Amino acid sequence: DQQVKQNSPSLSVQEGRISILNCDYTNSMFDYFLWYKKYPAEGPTFLISISSIKDKNEDGRFTVFLNKSAKHLSLHIVPSQPGDSAVYFCAASGSRDGSARQLTFGSGTQLTVLP
Amino acid sequence: KAGVTQTPRYLIKTRGQQVTLSCSPISGHRSVSWYQQTPGQGLQFLFEYFSETQRNKGNFPGRFSGRQFSNSRSEMNVSTLELGDSALYLCASSGPGPSSGANVLTFGAGSRLTVL
Repeated sequence: DQQVKQNSPSLSVQEGRISILNCDYTNSMFDYFLWYKKYPAEGPTFLISISSIKDKNEDGRFTVFLNKSAKHLSLHIVPSQPGDSAVYFCAASGSRDGSARQLTFGSGTQLTVLP
Repeated sequence: KAGVTQTPRYLIKTRGQQVTLSCSPISGHRSVSWYQQTPGQGLQFLFEYFSETQRNKGNFPGRFSGRQFSNSRSEMNVSTLELGDSALYLCASSGPGPSSGANVLTFGAGSRLTVL
């Protein structure tokens, strides 16, 4: 039972355009959401996060939107650059009962930004 | 400061053998978590240690175990290896408090295990 789903295994976008990566979750106990980026032969690196008390968080070219009623979040990258080509993982956690560091990850989306 | 260091980076074992993987967290980080990454499955949580105590455990069989030392370094062990255990094993550390709202994990590069 996948509690965090990334239904698009891959996405190709032209350089300079917007990349939109989507993520759905089923567990209503999740209240903190993160995006990680992973290059081959490296560990995932933290990109951006959002708490359930917000519906948007922005950091430079990266913006994460959270729609709690739909249990949906998305990552927008504007403008996309070839260096953004990587696998993007959506992750979620609850902050109760000491589970803050037990992240539930989606299966990832391979983003390819074409020059 | 140095990141999360995992050793070995690559290893090959045969079915039935056991393996031990090591992780050195970022200096000052007291929480160490382990994840398994397999193709198409994303990252699956194995367990988390804080101050030498296992705080959380994922849904993995008892063949998967771990421990944490007083210097926060951690090891995980897989006994009686199966073909399906072939995966990238990732260690992550976080700090500073035991249950802060900071859920940001810093990952190592992983140990790639191949079981033949």
